[in-house]
Amino acid sequence: NAGVTQTPKFQVLKTGQSMTLQCAQDMNHEYMSWYRQDPGMGLRLIHYSVGAGITDQGEVPNGYNVSRSTTEDFPLRLLSAAPSQTSVYFCASSYAYGGLAAGANVLTFGAGSRLTVL
Amino acid sequence: EDQVTQSPEALRLQEGESSSLNCSYTVSGLRGLFWYRQDPGKGPEFLFTLYSAGEEKEKERLKATLTKKESFLHITAPKPEDSATYLCAVQAYTGANSKLTFGKGITLSVRP
Repeated sequence: NAGVTQTPKFQVLKTGQSMTLQCAQDMNHEYMSWYRQDPGMGLRLIHYSVGAGITDQGEVPNGYNVSRSTTEDFPLRLLSAAPSQTSVYFCASSYAYGGLAAGANVLTFGAGSRLTVL
Repeated sequence: EDQVTQSPEALRLQEGESSSLNCSYTVSGLRGLFWYRQDPGKGPEFLFTLYSAGEEKEKERLKATLTKKESFLHITAPKPEDSATYLCAVQAYTGANSKLTFGKGITLSVRP
């Protein structure tokens, strides 16, 4: 059981380049999300999805796109990278985030992808 | 606006020296308060969820408590392997769009 798998672990981009961070989970979780973690700040939500074909914006969505064609995969696309997008990105999933059942709101995180934009 | 403040920012303990980490919060209708552990270069790992004031949860050397304004993570007789960053987060109301607000984290170092 691999959990949440993110690729790549490290990436360096030049300003204006585009790229996709990959996220896959094998736990059949309906809810998937992307966070960014910056020094001196808490984790901030970028985008989330409650199931295949359904996505929505989080707290800091500008400059990022997402899609959810399958339950397993939730890629994050940077359309035109900027130095302000230098960060560590985490994908997280939950079997029923927002629900009332015990454990429904627990997030399982991937190991992270460290992105540097020059 | 929901807010989470964790203190201290960093804590250095000697092995066996018990202490507490603080998480103060303001939230419009608490659905749950979460503690996560994060090791360097890894993603956060779930520790506890607390739902109501007075609730306590324990796991090995860790014990989490909750009041209406703050939560404490008590570490009893810590070991070097307890060294990590501990994150606190609060969730307001229910629903898939319910916001999870994270604190900045507390970096704990335990010296042998």
